Amino acid sequence: KAGVTQTPRYLIKTRGQQVTLSCSPISGHRSVSWYQQTPGQGLQFLFEYFSETQRNKGNFPGRFSGRQFSNSRSEMNVSTLELGDSALYLCASSPKRDVGYEQYFGPGTRLTVT
Amino acid sequence: GENVEQHPSTLSVQEGDSAVIKCTYSDSASNYFPWYKQELGKGPQLIIDIRSNVGEKKDQRIAVTLNKTAKHFSLHITETQPEDSAVYFCAASGRSGNTPLVFGKGTRLSVIA
Repeated sequence: KAGVTQTPRYLIKTRGQQVTLSCSPISGHRSVSWYQQTPGQGLQFLFEYFSETQRNKGNFPGRFSGRQFSNSRSEMNVSTLELGDSALYLCASSPKRDVGYEQYFGPGTRLTVT
Repeated sequence: GENVEQHPSTLSVQEGDSAVIKCTYSDSASNYFPWYKQELGKGPQLIIDIRSNVGEKKDQRIAVTLNKTAKHFSLHITETQPEDSAVYFCAASGRSGNTPLVFGKGTRLSVIA
């Protein structure tokens, strides 16, 4: 099976712009989660979708949003970018219905905000 | 909410030696404890996991032990090889399967040939 794919792999944006990141889960996986990884804060949960519904949301401002399509593919959007949003954004999919179990990660999208 | 502490933050071992990474968690109701390996330029890869009804699990050179009373779990890598060099993360899930994973800050393991 192909793994989780994320596009683009690298992105450079200017403060104040918005950005959309894309994730295709492993075939058959319906749960998709998004994480932000930074050297200071580590891996932090952003949100999780299952069957097009957001079921869990982490402690991030409303500028961070996401959605899931009927084919389980997911996108996340960050509006009004800030310098502190520079991070590796990871998408993970799970064969389980519940988000607290095995997650399979993609390679991530490296976002740099200047 | 859940809080996961991971130690040490860096670890260097000679090739062939064993490596041990330890994590503690705060929520006594947590019931799922995975370990991930992250190589440079890649996403975290699930290498082993354990559930709260099991005390130890092995998979070739890696093993995980869980002490629910003390609320800590550990990753053991035996006969380390240079390709084991990576950042390792522990995680724990909360009271129900629908609670997101909380990750430790990671351990950078260097295996010296």
